[in-house]
Amino acid sequence: GAVVSQHPSRVICKSGTSVKIECRSLDFQATTMFWYRQFPKQSLMLMATSNEGSKATYEQGVEKDKFLINHASLTLSTLTVTSAHPEDSSFYICSAQAGSNSGANVLTFGAGSRLTVL
Amino acid sequence: DAKTTQPPSMDCAEGRAANLPCNHSTISGNEYVYWYRQIHSQGPQYIIHGLKNNETNEMASLIITEDRKSSTLILPHATLRDTAVYYCIVRGNSGGSNYKLTFGKGTLLTVNP
Repeated sequence: GAVVSQHPSRVICKSGTSVKIECRSLDFQATTMFWYRQFPKQSLMLMATSNEGSKATYEQGVEKDKFLINHASLTLSTLTVTSAHPEDSSFYICSAQAGSNSGANVLTFGAGSRLTVL
Repeated sequence: DAKTTQPPSMDCAEGRAANLPCNHSTISGNEYVYWYRQIHSQGPQYIIHGLKNNETNEMASLIITEDRKSSTLILPHATLRDTAVYYCIVRGNSGGSNYKLTFGKGTLLTVNP
C-alpha cells in the first residue's frame, strides 16, 4: 500500500533556530500534501495544504512566514519551522493522497515528527 | 464538509466486538464517511470508508444507516493493540485541496484484558 515517510521522527532544537521536516511519498506521486499539527491531548489541526509547483495554502491563524512549506517535487514536501520557540513544540504530521483523482481515495499519513524546542 | 459527533470514550473487553458510533446528520449526497485511528504518538491509520453501502475489509466493518445520518465502525474481535483514538470523518470528493480531512476529537477506545 501507499507509504508516506517523515524525517526526522524526533528533533530537539534551541529556541531561535529553524527546523526542517521532510515528507516523502515513497511509492506514489502526490501533487497535494497536507501538514497537520497536534498538541498533547488534542486532535490534529490542519496547518496548510502543500501544492507541487505552487504556493502552499495556509489555514486561518497559521503564519506562512513562520511555517515555510516547499513542495518541489511530486514526492517531497518540506515544512520549515523558522525561529522556533517553545510554543512551537508539537507533533507535526503530513499526509498525501495516492491513487486516481477520485473522491473515494484515502489520505495516507506519515508517522509524525515530534519537535521539542528548548 | 459535514460535522461528526462521537462519544469521547468507550471501553471494550479483549476478544469482544467493539462498536463505535458516529453521527453525521448533515452529510450530503456526495460525501463519504471515513474512519481513521491514531495509536498514541503515531500518525493516523486509515481503517475503512464508505458512501452508502456497508463495507468490510480485513480490519473492520462499516455499517451506514439507510438515511446516511449515522454509521458504526465494528472491530469484530478487539485486541489490546486496538486501543487508540478513532476518528469518524465526512469528506466531499471534489478533489485537490478538498481531499483534506478535518479531524474532530474522536473516540478513545480502550480495550481491556
